[in-house]
Amino acid sequence: AQKVTQAQTEISVVEKEDVTLDCVYETRDTTYYLFWYKQPPSGELVFLIRRNSFDEQNEISGRYSWNFQKSTSSFNFTITASQVVDSAVYFCALSGVLASNYKLTFGKGTLLTVNP
Amino acid sequence: EPEVTQTPSHQVTQMGQEVILRCVPISNHLYFYWYRQILGQKVEFLVSFYNNEISEKSEIFDDQFSVERPDGSNFTLKIRSTKLEDSAMYFCASKTSGSEEQFFGPGTRLTVL
Repeated sequence: AQKVTQAQTEISVVEKEDVTLDCVYETRDTTYYLFWYKQPPSGELVFLIRRNSFDEQNEISGRYSWNFQKSTSSFNFTITASQVVDSAVYFCALSGVLASNYKLTFGKGTLLTVNP
Repeated sequence: EPEVTQTPSHQVTQMGQEVILRCVPISNHLYFYWYRQILGQKVEFLVSFYNNEISEKSEIFDDQFSVERPDGSNFTLKIRSTKLEDSAMYFCASKTSGSEEQFFGPGTRLTVL
């Protein structure tokens, strides 16, 4: 069975602070994919990143960066110089690679509030 | 840019009524999904559909639920006799065979009174 844990339920920061959202996962699969999605107050799910379990390189995209550590089963997400528009719920998710297991297993999400 | 669309955006129904939620996946996608998000909770997998049949379903997806691809473009979720606890946001998603990314629709908010 697959499981994703986001231990931080809510985080509140002041604009321009850096913030890291934690994600820990469990899976018996040797190959899998990890994702982060953003859900703004409007409710839609916005895809942010996908990472293959074979690729442990960290990735940076503008103010966003991701730290994948297979040894600790973690896939953490950092926002640098946070902005009010970053306020949203962020979900970490996991999927398998077989056609029978492509479904996404989501964590409970972290509500990030960035205050001006 | 192609996108997944869902209708209606919000549906209000009485307990015991049947509802059909509609989705139009991206046209060249082959895998289709329904997920549910009860207010304030996580997104939960309901069912996946490929090659005109269900490939996987969760414990939530009981006999009250069914999915169908009635034509070449629509993908529907039917709830036969709605319960109060079916109130949630329902997301449709689709993907191609060559990609791991699922593209999500904007969701349908179902309210059961």
